[in-house]
Amino acid sequence: GAGVSQSPSNKVTEKGKDVELRCDPISGHTALYWYRQSLGQGLEFLIYFQGNSAPDKSGLPSDRFSAERTGGSVSTLTIQRTQQEDSAVYLCASSLALASGELFFGEGSRLTVL
Amino acid sequence: GDSVTQMEGPVTLSEEAFLTINCTYTATGYPSLFWYVQYPGEGLQLLLKATKADDKGSNKGFEATYRKETTSFHLEKGSVQVSDSAVYFCALSENSSYKLIFGSGTRLLVRP
Repeated sequence: GAGVSQSPSNKVTEKGKDVELRCDPISGHTALYWYRQSLGQGLEFLIYFQGNSAPDKSGLPSDRFSAERTGGSVSTLTIQRTQQEDSAVYLCASSLALASGELFFGEGSRLTVL
Repeated sequence: GDSVTQMEGPVTLSEEAFLTINCTYTATGYPSLFWYVQYPGEGLQLLLKATKADDKGSNKGFEATYRKETTSFHLEKGSVQVSDSAVYFCALSENSSYKLIFGSGTRLLVRP
């Protein structure tokens, strides 16, 4: 498909387990973003990639969260030792032009930590 | 820090009614302003934007005017349709910033 693809779409895990969320951006988009949407909350910025580097990791809520991007394309967001407060929808977006404000979002990965 | 405040939903309207969704912002500089829409089962997509004061963004019959004096960017549509049912997010980015700051979203439900 031509859009941003995220997997899994739904993930239920037990507290303390590690999870990996994958994002496949639109081909040719150099910028990639991860946001988190908790129930009743706005979108919370997590991390931004330009190419394979992450100039801004300021939004990652704790050191249990990490992300990488390889080949300037696919990105993986990893949450270690999940906690119940990590339950949320994790959204990935990509953009062609830096700072244009036009982000293309995937449908998100819904994470539920029991 | 910068922030965006939207009216709480859900907003329920009958088809062909007039829509206003309020959005105000707090920013230290001169931000660009955006409305994103999320239709059921789809990812967020850009609806319209305005990059400087008094600019009006418009798309699909929706409009919003960048009001610096009231720090607002209210979304309006003259006659809503059932297909407009979605969640609408107001957002800002400071000049030359890659980071979008979003409001909490407003759910719109349009009844036939």
